[in-house]
Amino acid sequence: GENVEQHPSTLSVQEGDSAVIKCTYSDSASNYFPWYKQELGKRPQLIIDIRSNVGEKKDQRIAVTLNKTAKHFSLHITETQPEDSAVYFCAASLSALNTGTASKLTFGTGTRLQVTL
Amino acid sequence: NAGVTQTPKFQVLKTGQSMTLQCAQDMNHNSMYWYRQDPGMGLRLIYYSASEGTTDKGEVPNGYNVSRLNKREFSLRLESAAPSQTSVYFCASSEGADLGGYTFGSGTRLTVV
Repeated sequence: GENVEQHPSTLSVQEGDSAVIKCTYSDSASNYFPWYKQELGKRPQLIIDIRSNVGEKKDQRIAVTLNKTAKHFSLHITETQPEDSAVYFCAASLSALNTGTASKLTFGTGTRLQVTL
Repeated sequence: NAGVTQTPKFQVLKTGQSMTLQCAQDMNHNSMYWYRQDPGMGLRLIYYSASEGTTDKGEVPNGYNVSRLNKREFSLRLESAAPSQTSVYFCASSEGADLGGYTFGSGTRLTVV
């Protein structure tokens, strides 16, 4: 099955700096890569995703890049703010559109991002 | 629009007791999932249901059973709770994980003593 590794496990940045979280996946057939943000005591929420036919996607201060050859993808947050402090999870799956079954997400172990003033 | 509703939010069980975690979604999603979240281990898939009438094991199914009662509801049962099942449990639903991703419930914090 799929295995997703995520680094670093903790990341501390000063407000206004950039933060980068990296993930690698093992199954070359995976083609969907979402990122979730989980605030303390809350549920994970989707913040951005990318499909394997795209190398980069950006949404305001958040961007995700994908390198299919190396099987890794990264989350980039620019101009970090205190409200960016949370745990971030990457995930990978094979699209249900290709398999005809449920798309099962395999998650990384999470990165705790702390943005300090 | 409630999304995904989980009950209960908190539960304490004694070793050997049984309980059922309830999950319901009102988004007409076909697929539903149960994950457990443990510190440093991310979210691990317990069971999932691709569509009404089907269920399949995930990464960590031992000690659990599930029932897809109808399209809306997907329950998770612990027959004989063990301390190793102390965790936060999340239910999620999707119309294909890549079609807008998962919508998660608010979670159930379970402690087995």
